[in-house]
Amino acid sequence: DQQVKQNSPSLSVQEGRISILNCDYTNSMFDYFLWYKKYPAEGPTFLISISSIKDKNEDGRFTVFLNKSAKHLSLHIVPSQPGDSAVYFCAASGSRGGSNYKLTFGKGTLLTVNP
Amino acid sequence: SAVISQKPSRDICQRGTSLTIQCQVDSQVTMMFWYRQQPGQSLTLIATANQGSEATYESGFVIDKFPISRPNLTFSTLTVSNMSPEDSSIYLCSVEDLGDRFYGYTFGSGTRLTVV
Repeated sequence: DQQVKQNSPSLSVQEGRISILNCDYTNSMFDYFLWYKKYPAEGPTFLISISSIKDKNEDGRFTVFLNKSAKHLSLHIVPSQPGDSAVYFCAASGSRGGSNYKLTFGKGTLLTVNP
Repeated sequence: SAVISQKPSRDICQRGTSLTIQCQVDSQVTMMFWYRQQPGQSLTLIATANQGSEATYESGFVIDKFPISRPNLTFSTLTVSNMSPEDSSIYLCSVEDLGDRFYGYTFGSGTRLTVV
């Protein structure tokens, strides 16, 4: 049973437009949600996170929205740039010190930003 | 954030043999994590390694197959034992970033293992 789901394996957008990557989760015990970006032959790179007590977190071109009632989060990239082309992983974790204190990942979404 | 050096970056191994993957961190960390990413799949946690204690393995992973060492606060190894083609995956180590600006983890660059 996958607790973190990214239902879109790929997404293609034009440079300058908005990219929206979606993620759904099933475990209501998750306290933190994170997005990672991964280029080929590299490890995942932390992008942005959000605590379950918030509904939005913004960092430059990247904004993460959390809808707890729907168990859904999304990553918005505005404006999208060709260098953003990568696989994006959604991940979730319980609180530090708890039994669920570990990252559970989705399968990833391949974002392609076309010039 | 921490910087992780992971070796080897890739290897092709014969079935039945073992491979040891090393991770060196540039700062002392309490917990290190080992993940596997099978082709087309998400990253799956294998085990959590604390210095001075036995590693804690996730469901579906056992110490005999994936022994882990954690001799100090900056280093860990994962061994993939008695390999079969099903072990062909990317293996990654990770540490938690404890900066107060965000909550996240840093990953090594990964070891791409092919078993033939």
